[in-house]
Amino acid sequence: NAGVTQTPKFQVLKTGQSMTLQCAQDMNHEYMSWYRQDPGMGLRLIHYSVGAGITDQGEVPNGYNVSRSTTEDFPLRLLSAAPSQTSVYFCASNPTGTTDTQYFGPGTRLTVL
Amino acid sequence: QQQVKQSPQSLIVQKGGISIINCAYENTAFDYFPWYQQFPGKGPALLIAIRPDVSEKKEGRFTISFNKSAKQFSLHIMDSQPGDSATYFCAASGQTGANNLFFGTGTRLTVIP
Repeated sequence: NAGVTQTPKFQVLKTGQSMTLQCAQDMNHEYMSWYRQDPGMGLRLIHYSVGAGITDQGEVPNGYNVSRSTTEDFPLRLLSAAPSQTSVYFCASNPTGTTDTQYFGPGTRLTVL
Repeated sequence: QQQVKQSPQSLIVQKGGISIINCAYENTAFDYFPWYQQFPGKGPALLIAIRPDVSEKKEGRFTISFNKSAKQFSLHIMDSQPGDSATYFCAASGQTGANNLFFGTGTRLTVIP
């Protein structure tokens, strides 16, 4: 049972480039979320999904897209990277219709030059 | 606007001492208050959580105190150990059907041997 996995671990992009951060979980959780973590800001919710085919915006969704075609995978797409998107990104999943016990992945550290 | 305010930003405690981290919130719809622990290079992990129907919850050396009227809650770590050195985040959510977990800005705890 690998839990929540994220790839890549590190990534450097140039302004304007696009990329996809991958997230997968093998716990059959319905709920998945993406957060970004910035110094002095804590974690902020970007997008979340309550099941396959269903996604919604969180607190800071601008510049990011998500899709949920399977229960296991929840990729986060940066369409045109900006330096303001330099951050550590965490994917999380939880089993029920509440936010109880979110399980976090190890994170992706993204730098946009 | 920060939905959950956390203090202090950093904390240094002697081994065996008590570590206290405080959080405050404004939204009276919040009804779930977890604390997450994060070690460097890792994702956050749930440490302990409380719902507002109780004023205190204890798990081993970790205790949450909850004051509903003051809209405040705190984490107490008794007999602090060097292995407790980590960043601690408080968080809050409400049963709105959305997967929104609002985090505090974090407290970096260092326990000196």
